[in-house]
Amino acid sequence: QVQLQESGPGLVKPSQTLSLTCTVSGGSISSGSYYWSWIRQHPGKGLEWIGYIYSSGSTYYSPSLKSRVTISLDTSKNRFSLKLSSVTAADTAVYYCARRSDWFDPWGQGTLVTVSS
Amino acid sequence: QSVLTQPPSVSGAPGQRVTISCTGSSSNIGAGYDVHWYQQLPGTAPKLLIYANSNRPSGVPDRFSGSKSGTSASLAITGLQAEDEADYYCQSYDSSLSVHVVFGGGTKLTVL
Repeated sequence: QVQLQESGPGLVKPSQTLSLTCTVSGGSISSGSYYWSWIRQHPGKGLEWIGYIYSSGSTYYSPSLKSRVTISLDTSKNRFSLKLSSVTAADTAVYYCARRSDWFDPWGQGTLVTVSS
Repeated sequence: QSVLTQPPSVSGAPGQRVTISCTGSSSNIGAGYDVHWYQQLPGTAPKLLIYANSNRPSGVPDRFSGSKSGTSASLAITGLQAEDEADYYCQSYDSSLSVHVVFGGGTKLTVL
């Protein structure tokens, strides 16, 4: 079955760019009608949709983050990536990648990113 | 302030039945978009529990059921077990403001 795994730095300095990668195994990110997604969860809080990229490359971002977010596909390595620029402490959260058809399934295990100097 | 409204917490004794509501509006649930539910056990990633209002993925016990009516949806858990203690989130699509995906604020289920 399809599995997703996030990777990237656990600590990012304020004003820098947060970069995470989600590696997909057990299936191709370029096939099927799926949206490859990023979702985050601030400590002790609920889930916040960041955005997703369709297998064709079309992207959709949360309006609240749109100016700072870029999601891209790397089909050669079967993975997709998140870049969030100009981060502040408010971007400290657990970041999840997930596959979406209409619902999100499966999810990666999540990775904690702390923004601090 | 989440677009979908859930009670912050619910509780029940083992064996009891509890329900968790998810209230939306005419731009999401009321517009006919499906509702999905996720279970997040402590320290773990969310897991799909119910999809398309009332469907259970393989492996999810039939103690969990979902329904939708008007601008709201509900998750019901019968025969409550200690292992059901978790956070539960509803999710739908919203046609306004290019939001696409909306989540409820989450409900903490405590098994007494």
